[in-house]
Amino acid sequence: GAVVSQHPSWVICKSGTSVKIECRSLDFQATTMFWYRQFPKQSLMLMATSNEGSKATYEQGVEKDKFLINHASLTLSTLTVTSAHPEDSSFYICSASSGRTNLAKNIQYFGAGTRLSVL
Amino acid sequence: DAKTTQPPSMDCAEGRAANLPCNHSTISGNEYVYWYRQIHSQGPQYIIHGLKNNETNEMASLIITEDRKSSTLILPHATLRDTAVYYCIVRVSDTGRRALTFGSGTRLQVQP
Repeated sequence: GAVVSQHPSWVICKSGTSVKIECRSLDFQATTMFWYRQFPKQSLMLMATSNEGSKATYEQGVEKDKFLINHASLTLSTLTVTSAHPEDSSFYICSASSGRTNLAKNIQYFGAGTRLSVL
Repeated sequence: DAKTTQPPSMDCAEGRAANLPCNHSTISGNEYVYWYRQIHSQGPQYIIHGLKNNETNEMASLIITEDRKSSTLILPHATLRDTAVYYCIVRVSDTGRRALTFGSGTRLQVQP
């Protein structure tokens, strides 16, 4: 199947600093990528939808100025957590679909996730 | 997307078949049944999907009832590495511009 690469896999940062997470589709072009957040023992919650060449769409309750999303190319989306605080500590996961129903019936491919710990 | 109901947890002995049920009684005619799983501290992984016919691939089999109101994911010979949370998701097959909605899933524990 298709591969989505997410980097870094684990990051520790001090409170107040910013952290950038990259999500790349390695063998297909993704006009749309998605960012999820997962707290311990909970399910994945959608944060935002990242659209290539346009502004991201954020879910209700997600601060767009805090979680900056850039989707500058068809293979790369980035999530920047600005001025991180301990409550932002979580597992962040991206996903992408090739968008071609004759290719893979809209299967979503997920990155391995990034565990963020804010001290 | 149609609502799905899954048992919160199941156990299975290693080497035996794991049968994970999913109820989706309000499924529409154009909605597919997708199964994903999430191994601890990893991103979800696609397993299989189907519309009305039973499907099989190298990972699993998907059995959908004739009325499509329920389905079963079958892992024929479960291994310890199959321990994970399994999510049943029902939705139309679109062009990938909508995110998946994850419920609570079934936590499968494969016992040695």
